Amino acid sequence: EVVLTQSPGTLSLSPGERATLSCRASQSTYGYIAWYHQKPGRAPSLLIYDVYNRASGVPARFSGSGSGADFTLTIDSLEPEDFGVYYCQQRSHWPWTFGQGTKVERK
Amino acid sequence: EVQLVESGGGLVQPGGSLKLSCLVSGFTFSNHWMTWVRQAPGREPEWVANIHKDGSEKYYVDSVKGRFNISRDNAVNSLSLQMNNLRVEDTALYYCARGWGLNGNYYAIDSWGQGTQVTVSS
Repeated sequence: EVVLTQSPGTLSLSPGERATLSCRASQSTYGYIAWYHQKPGRAPSLLIYDVYNRASGVPARFSGSGSGADFTLTIDSLEPEDFGVYYCQQRSHWPWTFGQGTKVERK
Repeated sequence: EVQLVESGGGLVQPGGSLKLSCLVSGFTFSNHWMTWVRQAPGREPEWVANIHKDGSEKYYVDSVKGRFNISRDNAVNSLSLQMNNLRVEDTALYYCARGWGLNGNYYAIDSWGQGTQVTVSS
Protein backbone atom coordinates (compact mmCIF):
# COMPACT_ATOMS: atom_id res chain seq x y z
CA GLU A 1 0.00 0.00 0.00
CA VAL A 2 1.24 3.48 -0.89
CA VAL A 3 1.54 5.60 2.25
CA LEU A 4 1.12 9.34 1.81
CA THR A 5 2.70 11.53 4.47
CA GLN A 6 1.54 15.12 4.64
CA SER A 7 3.33 18.00 6.32
CA PRO A 8 2.98 20.05 8.32
CA GLY A 9 0.22 18.59 10.46
CA THR A 10 -1.15 22.05 11.17
CA LEU A 11 -0.57 25.38 9.46
CA SER A 12 -1.60 28.54 11.31
CA LEU A 13 -2.08 31.42 8.90
CA SER A 14 -4.05 34.61 8.41
CA PRO A 15 -6.30 35.49 5.46
CA GLY A 16 -4.18 36.85 2.62
CA GLU A 17 -1.16 34.72 3.43
CA ARG A 18 0.23 31.94 1.27
CA ALA A 19 -0.13 28.28 2.30
CA THR A 20 2.29 25.59 1.16
CA LEU A 21 1.31 21.99 1.87
CA SER A 22 3.48 18.95 1.23
CA CYS A 23 2.61 15.35 0.37
CA ARG A 24 5.29 12.67 0.19
CA ALA A 25 4.56 9.17 -1.10
CA SER A 26 6.28 5.95 -0.02
CA GLN A 27 6.88 5.20 -3.71
CA SER A 28 6.42 6.94 -7.02
CA THR A 29 2.81 7.73 -7.86
CA TYR A 30 3.52 8.57 -11.50
CA GLY A 31 1.74 11.90 -11.19
CA TYR A 32 -1.56 10.42 -10.10
CA ILE A 33 -2.09 12.71 -7.13
CA ALA A 34 -5.23 14.63 -6.24
CA TRP A 35 -5.93 17.17 -3.50
CA TYR A 36 -9.18 17.60 -1.58
CA HIS A 37 -10.42 20.17 0.93
CA GLN A 38 -12.72 19.24 3.80
CA LYS A 39 -14.58 21.59 6.09
CA PRO A 40 -16.00 20.39 9.43
CA GLY A 41 -19.15 18.30 9.02
CA ARG A 42 -18.85 18.27 5.23
CA ALA A 43 -17.64 15.81 2.65
CA PRO A 44 -14.29 16.51 0.99
CA SER A 45 -14.30 18.49 -2.26
CA LEU A 46 -11.92 18.03 -5.16
CA LEU A 47 -9.40 20.78 -5.83
CA ILE A 48 -6.64 19.33 -8.00
CA TYR A 49 -6.23 16.10 -9.99
CA ASP A 50 -3.13 14.58 -11.58
CA VAL A 51 -0.74 16.92 -9.76
CA TYR A 52 -1.61 20.31 -11.24
CA ASN A 53 -5.03 20.23 -12.97
CA ARG A 54 -7.65 22.33 -11.20
CA ALA A 55 -11.11 20.79 -10.96
CA SER A 56 -14.04 22.61 -12.44
CA GLY A 57 -14.83 25.81 -10.58
CA VAL A 58 -11.70 25.78 -8.42
CA PRO A 59 -10.16 29.27 -8.11
CA ALA A 60 -6.78 30.00 -9.65
CA ARG A 61 -5.23 30.70 -6.23
CA PHE A 62 -4.98 26.91 -5.84
CA SER A 63 -2.07 25.29 -7.64
CA GLY A 64 -0.39 21.91 -7.53
CA SER A 65 3.12 20.85 -8.40
CA GLY A 66 5.59 18.03 -7.96
CA SER A 67 6.65 14.76 -9.49
CA GLY A 68 7.65 11.24 -8.57
CA ALA A 69 6.90 10.97 -4.88
CA ASP A 70 6.92 14.61 -3.73
CA PHE A 71 4.01 16.94 -4.29
CA THR A 72 2.94 20.39 -3.16
CA LEU A 73 -0.35 22.24 -2.95
CA THR A 74 -0.03 26.01 -2.83
CA ILE A 75 -2.81 28.41 -1.92
CA ASP A 76 -1.97 31.99 -2.81
CA SER A 77 -3.62 34.57 -0.59
CA LEU A 78 -5.88 32.55 1.70
CA GLU A 79 -9.57 33.37 1.67
CA PRO A 80 -11.79 32.81 4.76
CA GLU A 81 -13.45 29.80 3.10
CA ASP A 82 -10.07 28.08 2.57
CA PHE A 83 -9.57 27.06 6.19
CA GLY A 84 -10.07 23.40 6.96
CA VAL A 85 -8.27 20.13 6.31
CA TYR A 86 -6.49 19.27 3.08
CA TYR A 87 -5.86 15.71 1.93
CA CYS A 88 -3.70 14.38 -0.87
CA GLN A 89 -4.77 11.12 -2.50
CA GLN A 90 -3.08 8.72 -4.93
CA ARG A 91 -4.57 6.50 -7.61
CA SER A 92 -1.36 4.95 -8.94
CA HIS A 93 -1.58 1.75 -6.89
CA TRP A 94 -4.60 -0.07 -5.50
CA PRO A 95 -5.81 0.47 -2.85
CA TRP A 96 -6.07 4.16 -3.55
CA THR A 97 -5.09 6.00 -0.40
CA PHE A 98 -5.32 9.39 1.28
CA GLY A 99 -2.73 11.21 3.32
CA GLN A 100 -3.43 11.92 6.98
CA GLY A 101 -4.23 15.56 6.22
CA THR A 102 -2.92 19.04 6.89
CA LYS A 103 -5.14 21.35 8.90
CA VAL A 104 -5.02 24.99 7.81
CA GLU A 105 -6.27 27.05 10.72
CA ARG A 106 -6.74 30.76 11.24
CA LYS A 107 -3.96 32.36 13.26
CA GLU B 1 -27.90 19.42 -9.80
CA VAL B 2 -25.85 16.35 -8.93
CA GLN B 3 -27.21 14.61 -5.85
CA LEU B 4 -26.11 11.46 -4.03
CA VAL B 5 -28.20 10.38 -1.06
CA GLU B 6 -27.05 7.54 1.19
CA SER B 7 -29.20 5.50 3.53
CA GLY B 8 -29.05 2.28 5.50
CA GLY B 9 -26.53 3.11 8.19
CA GLY B 10 -27.10 2.31 11.84
CA LEU B 11 -25.91 0.50 14.94
CA VAL B 12 -25.04 -3.16 14.56
CA GLN B 13 -23.29 -5.74 16.69
CA PRO B 14 -19.96 -7.24 15.66
CA GLY B 15 -20.56 -10.03 13.17
CA GLY B 16 -23.77 -8.43 11.95
CA SER B 17 -24.73 -7.13 8.53
CA LEU B 18 -25.92 -3.88 6.98
CA LYS B 19 -26.76 -2.82 3.46
CA LEU B 20 -26.04 0.75 2.44
CA SER B 21 -27.83 2.32 -0.50
CA CYS B 22 -27.16 5.44 -2.52
CA LEU B 23 -29.71 7.00 -4.82
CA VAL B 24 -28.32 9.43 -7.35
CA SER B 25 -29.84 12.08 -9.58
CA GLY B 26 -28.80 14.97 -11.78
CA PHE B 27 -26.38 13.04 -13.98
CA THR B 28 -26.14 9.96 -16.21
CA PHE B 29 -25.33 7.31 -13.60
CA SER B 30 -24.22 4.69 -16.12
CA ASN B 31 -21.44 6.99 -17.38
CA HIS B 32 -19.53 6.99 -14.10
CA TRP B 33 -17.42 4.74 -11.95
CA MET B 34 -18.79 4.83 -8.42
CA THR B 35 -17.07 4.51 -5.08
CA TRP B 36 -17.64 4.01 -1.37
CA VAL B 37 -15.30 5.92 0.94
CA ARG B 38 -15.46 5.80 4.73
CA GLN B 39 -14.12 8.14 7.35
CA ALA B 40 -13.75 7.46 11.05
CA PRO B 41 -13.97 10.47 13.41
CA GLY B 42 -10.81 12.57 13.27
CA ARG B 43 -9.24 10.34 10.64
CA GLU B 44 -8.47 10.65 6.97
CA PRO B 45 -10.91 9.17 4.46
CA GLU B 46 -10.36 5.54 3.49
CA TRP B 47 -11.15 4.20 0.05
CA VAL B 48 -13.40 1.14 0.44
CA ALA B 49 -14.51 -0.01 -3.02
CA ASN B 50 -14.88 0.99 -6.68
CA ILE B 51 -17.30 -0.34 -9.27
CA HIS B 52 -17.08 0.12 -13.02
CA LYS B 53 -19.78 1.98 -14.96
CA ASP B 54 -21.44 -1.30 -16.02
CA GLY B 55 -20.60 -3.24 -12.88
CA SER B 56 -18.11 -5.49 -14.68
CA GLU B 57 -15.15 -4.55 -12.47
CA LYS B 58 -15.03 -4.24 -8.70
CA TYR B 59 -12.13 -3.37 -6.43
CA TYR B 60 -11.95 -3.58 -2.65
CA VAL B 61 -9.49 -2.50 0.00
CA ASP B 62 -7.99 -5.63 1.59
CA SER B 63 -9.62 -5.05 4.97
CA VAL B 64 -13.13 -5.55 3.52
CA LYS B 65 -12.47 -8.19 0.85
CA GLY B 66 -14.71 -11.19 1.28
CA ARG B 67 -17.02 -9.29 3.64
CA PHE B 68 -18.31 -6.35 1.57
CA ASN B 69 -19.94 -6.39 -1.85
CA ILE B 70 -20.39 -3.29 -3.99
CA SER B 71 -23.13 -3.38 -6.63
CA ARG B 72 -25.15 -1.06 -8.79
CA ASP B 73 -28.43 -0.96 -10.69
CA ASN B 74 -28.15 1.47 -13.58
CA ALA B 75 -31.85 1.13 -14.36
CA VAL B 76 -32.79 2.83 -11.11
CA ASN B 77 -29.66 4.94 -10.51
CA SER B 78 -28.73 3.08 -7.37
CA LEU B 79 -25.45 2.06 -5.75
CA SER B 80 -25.25 -0.42 -2.86
CA LEU B 81 -22.76 -1.75 -0.36
CA GLN B 82 -23.61 -5.04 1.35
CA MET B 83 -21.53 -5.32 4.50
CA ASN B 84 -21.30 -8.68 6.28
CA ASN B 85 -19.37 -9.91 9.31
CA LEU B 86 -18.94 -6.34 10.48
CA ARG B 87 -16.12 -5.46 12.85
CA VAL B 88 -15.68 -2.66 15.36
CA GLU B 89 -13.03 -1.14 13.08
CA ASP B 90 -15.65 -0.74 10.31
CA THR B 91 -17.25 2.03 12.36
CA ALA B 92 -17.22 5.19 10.23
CA LEU B 93 -19.22 7.62 8.16
CA TYR B 94 -19.71 5.99 4.77
CA TYR B 95 -19.82 8.21 1.70
CA CYS B 96 -21.20 7.35 -1.70
CA ALA B 97 -19.07 9.11 -4.31
CA ARG B 98 -18.97 9.70 -8.05
CA GLY B 99 -15.83 9.02 -10.01
CA TRP B 100 -14.76 11.44 -12.66
CA GLY B 101 -12.30 11.10 -15.51
CA LEU B 102 -11.66 11.37 -19.21
CA ASN B 103 -11.42 8.72 -21.95
CA GLY B 104 -12.67 5.98 -19.67
CA ASN B 105 -10.15 6.71 -16.94
CA TYR B 106 -11.01 7.37 -13.31
CA TYR B 107 -9.14 10.47 -12.13
CA ALA B 108 -10.75 11.50 -8.86
CA ILE B 109 -13.98 11.83 -6.90
CA ASP B 110 -15.87 14.93 -7.99
CA SER B 111 -19.13 14.51 -6.05
CA TRP B 112 -19.94 13.10 -2.64
CA GLY B 113 -23.08 12.30 -0.69
CA GLN B 114 -23.64 13.55 2.83
CA GLY B 115 -22.67 10.19 4.33
CA THR B 116 -24.43 7.57 6.43
CA GLN B 117 -23.10 6.54 9.85
CA VAL B 118 -22.24 2.92 10.54
CA THR B 119 -21.49 2.01 14.15
CA VAL B 120 -20.37 -1.49 15.06
CA SER B 121 -20.52 -2.08 18.78
CA SER B 122 -21.73 -4.61 21.29
